[in-house]
Amino acid sequence: DAKTTQPNSMESNEEEPVHLPCNHSTISGTDYIHWYRQLPSQGPEYVIHGLTSNVNNRMASLAIAEDRKSSTLILHRATLRDAAVYYCILRDESNYQLIWGAGTKLIIKP
Amino acid sequence: GAVVSQHPSWVICKSGTSVKIECRSLDFQATTMFWYRQFPKQSLMLMATSNEGSKATYEQGVEKDKFLINHASLTLSTLTVTSAHPEDSSFYICSGISHGGIQETQYFGPGTRLLVL
Repeated sequence: DAKTTQPNSMESNEEEPVHLPCNHSTISGTDYIHWYRQLPSQGPEYVIHGLTSNVNNRMASLAIAEDRKSSTLILHRATLRDAAVYYCILRDESNYQLIWGAGTKLIIKP
Repeated sequence: GAVVSQHPSWVICKSGTSVKIECRSLDFQATTMFWYRQFPKQSLMLMATSNEGSKATYEQGVEKDKFLINHASLTLSTLTVTSAHPEDSSFYICSGISHGGIQETQYFGPGTRLLVL
């Protein structure tokens, strides 16, 4: 399975945008980029996913590099409720399994 | 998004007893369900994958006779931890996916915290 690399932690101020990076240099052509987040003592929550084009939804935006070797999850206006561990995961659409890395712990300062 | 529930949300049991955890997809049919385990300050570890009506596929290192999985219907999967020991204390999380539908993303339950004394 292709692997992802994320910073261990990031800090941001409340109501400011947050850019969470993810490197996936060994991504294959059929791998989708998925982002999940996990709040303390809760199950993971789906955030967004994409293949090649940038994606937007009500929670976040996903910017995918042209060579697909990296991507950035963008939270446009962080709130305290966005404090969580964010996981960037590559998933082959022929295999529904998710292989979890360590993720980025996002700390939001009031 | 789709909703997955787990019951119980937490359980404390004595060493040697068995514990059953239920995972239900409330508003979609989960043709495939996954069971994960998460230890403190660690990431999720996939334990097994189950398809409705067939035997679960376990990941390497996960004892199938200790962690019994039954995916009896398209909305229910159960994980039974047999003869639980303190080292089985963990956060157990299930997820479901509906093949061919908009719910191809995995949707996760809230987790079950197991403490074995």
